[in-house]
Amino acid sequence: EVQLVESGGGLVQPGASLKLSCVASGFTFSDYWMSWVRQTPGKTMEWIGDIKYDGSYTNYAPSLKNRFTISRDNAKSTLYLQMSNVRSEDTATYYCTRDQNTYFDYWGQGVMVTVSS
Amino acid sequence: DIQMTQSPSLLSASVGDRVTLSCKASQNIYKYLNWYQQKLGEAPKLLIYYTNSLQTGIPSRFSGSGSGTDYTLTISSLQPEDVATYFCQQYNSWYTFGAGTKLELK
Repeated sequence: EVQLVESGGGLVQPGASLKLSCVASGFTFSDYWMSWVRQTPGKTMEWIGDIKYDGSYTNYAPSLKNRFTISRDNAKSTLYLQMSNVRSEDTATYYCTRDQNTYFDYWGQGVMVTVSS
Repeated sequence: DIQMTQSPSLLSASVGDRVTLSCKASQNIYKYLNWYQQKLGEAPKLLIYYTNSLQTGIPSRFSGSGSGTDYTLTISSLQPEDVATYFCQQYNSWYTFGAGTKLELK
């Protein structure tokens, strides 16, 4: 059974940094692209970016490219999202997804990030 | 960016009804369109990919159609467990999602 389990969320102050993790199981992690997608409290869904199966290439939504960094550790079957200089508009639930380069076929349960002073 | 507009934003229907949800792209997306179902408090689940391909394990009452800029998700006979919010997502140019249609029982 495919499982994606996110962690690392919580309350963070504006301007701070935060690193989210996603541990994958039930499939060969190193064979798949992975993406992060977020959902705002108003339910708007936004793709953040993705990373190639070997970690050699990343893509980002243009509006987020300069503040967010996606990485992975295939030995640990873990995906990461490094968020820097966070803003109130980054408040959202962050989902780790398995990315088929067309659709997202598995999603984690999500982790909440709240940016507030 | 390609904008995705879903309508209606809220739909009330009865068990057994045929339900149609719409998704319109701001430009031609060449059938590069997926649908997801999100139940309250849960992560989204892939229903349909490439406009009309049913994901494994999804009931056959769900179907998709469309081309160009206009796409449709149809539930042939609404069941109580179909109460959810439905999102469309394009992948012709990066990935963008619609705002969702919330489906409730009348």
